[in-house]
Amino acid sequence: DQQVKQNSPSLSVQEGRISILNCDYTNSMFDYFLWYKKYPAEGPTFLISISSIKDKNEDGRFTVFLNKSAKHLSLHIVPSQPGDSAVYFCAASSNRDDKIIFGKGTRLHILP
Amino acid sequence: DTEVTQTPKHLVMGMTNKKSLKCEQHMGHRAMYWYKQKAKKPPELMFVYSYEKLSINESVPSRFSPECPNSSLLNLHLHALQPEDSALYLCASSQLTSGGYNEQFFGPGTRLTVL
Repeated sequence: DQQVKQNSPSLSVQEGRISILNCDYTNSMFDYFLWYKKYPAEGPTFLISISSIKDKNEDGRFTVFLNKSAKHLSLHIVPSQPGDSAVYFCAASSNRDDKIIFGKGTRLHILP
Repeated sequence: DTEVTQTPKHLVMGMTNKKSLKCEQHMGHRAMYWYKQKAKKPPELMFVYSYEKLSINESVPSRFSPECPNSSLLNLHLHALQPEDSALYLCASSQLTSGGYNEQFFGPGTRLTVL
C-alpha cells in the first residue's frame, strides 16, 4: 500500500522552462512533506520542505505547493537548468514518529 | 560540518563473510537512520536510532545488526548475507525537535554486492 505516490516515472522539460513534479499521499496523518533530489550513485539531497500549516514554500528556483484537501503536493522548478536532471523523491512524515515515507521518484530530464 | 560520511564506498562480500558499514556525522543530530535502496526504487527504512537507542526496526532480518556506539557514529554489521541483499545502503541523520519535524541528511551510501 503506497502512502506516497509519484505517478510519473519520468518527465522531460526544455531548459529554461518550468518543471512541475507531482506527488499524492493517502495518509491524512502526514503533516510534513519533503522533496529530495538524487543523482546516480549518490545519496538523496534534501531540497525543500513544507509543513501542513502552509500551502506554499519558496526557496530560490524551487517552490513547493501543498493542497491538503486534495492530498496533493507539487514541486515547481523555474527556470529549469541542466543540473536539475536527476531523480526527485517526494517524502512525507508525521510528528508521531521518526519515519519518512518516500515515493518511487520521478526522473527529470532537462533538454538543451 | 554538514556532511554525513559513509565507509566504505563499495563493498563486495561472500555469503559467509562478516563485514561492517560505518556512518559518521558531526552535526549534533540525535537521530540516525539506515536505509536500503535497490535500483529504480525509493529508499526503504531499515533502522532508526534516537538518542543512541534503537527506536525503529522495520522487521529487518537478523543478518543485519545495527549499532550506535555514540551520538556521531552508526554501524551496520553484516553476516551471512544473501545475493538479494545487494543494494545501496544509505545512512541519514536528523535533528530531533519537539515538533517532530525533521529533514534527514543522507550520506553518499555504500554500494554492497553479495556474491
